[in-house]
Amino acid sequence: KNEVEQSPQNLTAQEGEFITINCSYSVGISALHWLQQHPGGGIVSLFMLSSGKKKHGRLIATINIQEKHSSLHITASHPRDSAVYICAVSGSNYQLIWGAGTKLIIKP
Amino acid sequence: NAGVTQTPKFRVLKTGQSMTLLCAQDMNHEYMYWYRQDPGMGLRLIHYSVGEGTTAKGEVPDGYNVSRLKKQNFLLGLESAAPSQTSVYFCASSYRDRAYNEQFFGPGTRLTVL
Repeated sequence: KNEVEQSPQNLTAQEGEFITINCSYSVGISALHWLQQHPGGGIVSLFMLSSGKKKHGRLIATINIQEKHSSLHITASHPRDSAVYICAVSGSNYQLIWGAGTKLIIKP
Repeated sequence: NAGVTQTPKFRVLKTGQSMTLLCAQDMNHEYMYWYRQDPGMGLRLIHYSVGEGTTAKGEVPDGYNVSRLKKQNFLLGLESAAPSQTSVYFCASSYRDRAYNEQFFGPGTRLTVL
């Protein structure tokens, strides 16, 4: 079993839909990261969180430390949100454990 | 601010050739990283640096060397390229330890070794 699991692996939705991507982990962590990789390859860090909830524009990230689970939500999804979303957890010094990514396609 | 830049963007090498990838950041970050990304796999850390003049091995360091002579630059070298090193290489930087800080990524270098 992978230490970081994302679901779903692939997600196709219509423009405007509310999107949820999940990340579960089995190790103790100090922080959890959400990143976005665009079809062109560029990688952008979206959130880093260790508790509670963070919001940036239409993106919301939550984490439940007790349940070892995080969710990334996208409200009012748009085709430009189409990307691979990656969850990564911070373990011991300099160690990041990466999820396999969720490929999101938003159709107009 | 240019952020993190990488040169070159694309390169094709023959087996046994050498090359150097250059990463530069203008954010005064202490920490810099080199990753490789292969199809179906997550980012894997090759080498990293916690400051000027320091380097350390990551998860997959074999076949690569690095140098951080200046704080803003982090070089990744392939002394004798092998087909297994065909990959997309990303450089990243962070103010402090990436475990607790946002990483900023370069645009990537697509390397093919024939």
